[in-house]
Amino acid sequence: SAVISQKPSRDICQRGTSLTIQCQVDSQVTMMFWYRQQPGQSLTLIATANQGSEATYESGFVIDKFPISRPNLTFSTLTVSNMSPEDSSIYLCSVEGDGPGGYTFGSGTRLTVV
Amino acid sequence: GQQLNQSPQSMFIQEGEDVSMNCTSSSIFNTWLWYKQEPGEGPVLLIALYKAGELTSNGRLTAQFGITRKDSFLNISASIPSDVGIYFCAGRGRTSGTYKYIFGTGTRLKVLA
Repeated sequence: SAVISQKPSRDICQRGTSLTIQCQVDSQVTMMFWYRQQPGQSLTLIATANQGSEATYESGFVIDKFPISRPNLTFSTLTVSNMSPEDSSIYLCSVEGDGPGGYTFGSGTRLTVV
Repeated sequence: GQQLNQSPQSMFIQEGEDVSMNCTSSSIFNTWLWYKQEPGEGPVLLIALYKAGELTSNGRLTAQFGITRKDSFLNISASIPSDVGIYFCAGRGRTSGTYKYIFGTGTRLKVLA
């Protein structure tokens, strides 16, 4: 299955600033997915990133807050903009698996906003 | 967003004991997945299920796709300390015209040696 590298692995940021998270896949994939995992919670899909088109956002998530880039078939970025403490979460990118199905996940970015 | 109900929420068990957890939904799914997440890592796929009634094993893990397509079960036999982690179910169904995976609320497993 695909190997995903996600950077940074963790960061502590000041409120009001922005952080860009990078996700690199070792193979070409059509869709990349960005998830948020709030402390002690499950995974919630933020958006689906397709190469060459605008990302598709889930209910409750907007492009101004979480702009996404997908410049090619192996790379995507998620920016968390104008951060507040409520944005403290683990952010995970994932791709559709080429094996038995399901998603392969990166190791996540643990964001703390102070 | 929508989530699947997973139980139990957490459990402490003794090493060597068997563990059971389940996931239920009000919606029908065409795929059920079970993941394990360890601290500082992303979830790792354990088992994938594709049709109602399917029973699949992966070592000491066995999962079943419920007949109603609205639930799934995961069993771990003879638990060991490295089974510690958070187990998530995920169901794939059609939402607003597209297929998506929805994740369960998680079961936190702690194994006492």
